[in-house]
Amino acid sequence: SQELEQSPQSLIVQEGKNLTINCTSSKTLYGLYWYKQKYGEGLIFLMMLQKGGEEKSHEKITAKLDEKKQQSSLHITASQPSHAGIYLCGARKGGSYIPTFGRGTSLIVHP
Amino acid sequence: DVKVTQSSRYLVKRTGEKVFLECVQDMDHENMFWYRQDPGLGLRLIYFSYDVKMKEKGDIPEGYSVSREKKERFSLILESASTNQTSMYLCASSVPTSGHHEQYFGPGTRLTVT
Repeated sequence: SQELEQSPQSLIVQEGKNLTINCTSSKTLYGLYWYKQKYGEGLIFLMMLQKGGEEKSHEKITAKLDEKKQQSSLHITASQPSHAGIYLCGARKGGSYIPTFGRGTSLIVHP
Repeated sequence: DVKVTQSSRYLVKRTGEKVFLECVQDMDHENMFWYRQDPGLGLRLIYFSYDVKMKEKGDIPEGYSVSREKKERFSLILESASTNQTSMYLCASSVPTSGHHEQYFGPGTRLTVT
C-alpha cells in the first residue's frame, strides 16, 4: 500500500513567519491532494497537483509536486492565526480514485 | 457550493448499542466514503460506495456496515458499539471530473462509546 509520510508532525510558529510542510511517498503519486482541517471539524480541500514540477497557489499557500512525483511541499508565507489547523496530504493509489492520507501536520500560529 | 452534512456533531452511546451515522450530500455525487480519524493514526477508510446499493470495504471494515439506498445518502452502522469505536467519523463525497477526484467532507461526528 502507498504510505504517505508527513513532516513535521507538529509546528508552532510566530505570526508572520514562513513555514513548510512536506509529504513524501515511497511510490509515484497519482494526484496529490492537500487538505486543511480546523480542529474538531471536517477537511477542506485546498488544491490538487498532478504533474511533476507542478506548482499551485491559493492566497498565501503554495504547494509543489517534485519532478519525480514522490514528494510534495506546502509552503505558507507570512503565517496568520487563521492558518492554524491540521494539514493533510492525500494521494490516490495507482489508478484508483480512492486516496490514502498522511497522518497530518498540526500547525499552531501564535499572534 | 457542495454541501456534505452529517446527522450529529457529537454522539454518546453505550457499549452494545446499535448506532447509525447519517451522511447526506446535495451535489449528486456518485462516490461516498466513511472514514474514522484517530490521533496518531490519521484518516482510515471504513467503507465506500460508488453507486446506489453498491458498497466496497475499505481498510478497516470490521465492526461496521453501510447502507446506500439513495444516491444522496450514505449511512454507517455500528451493529454493536464497542469502546474501541470511540472516534471522529468523517463522511466524504466525490465525483470524477476531468480525472480529478477531490473529496468534499462533512463536519464530522465525534462518537464516544462508554
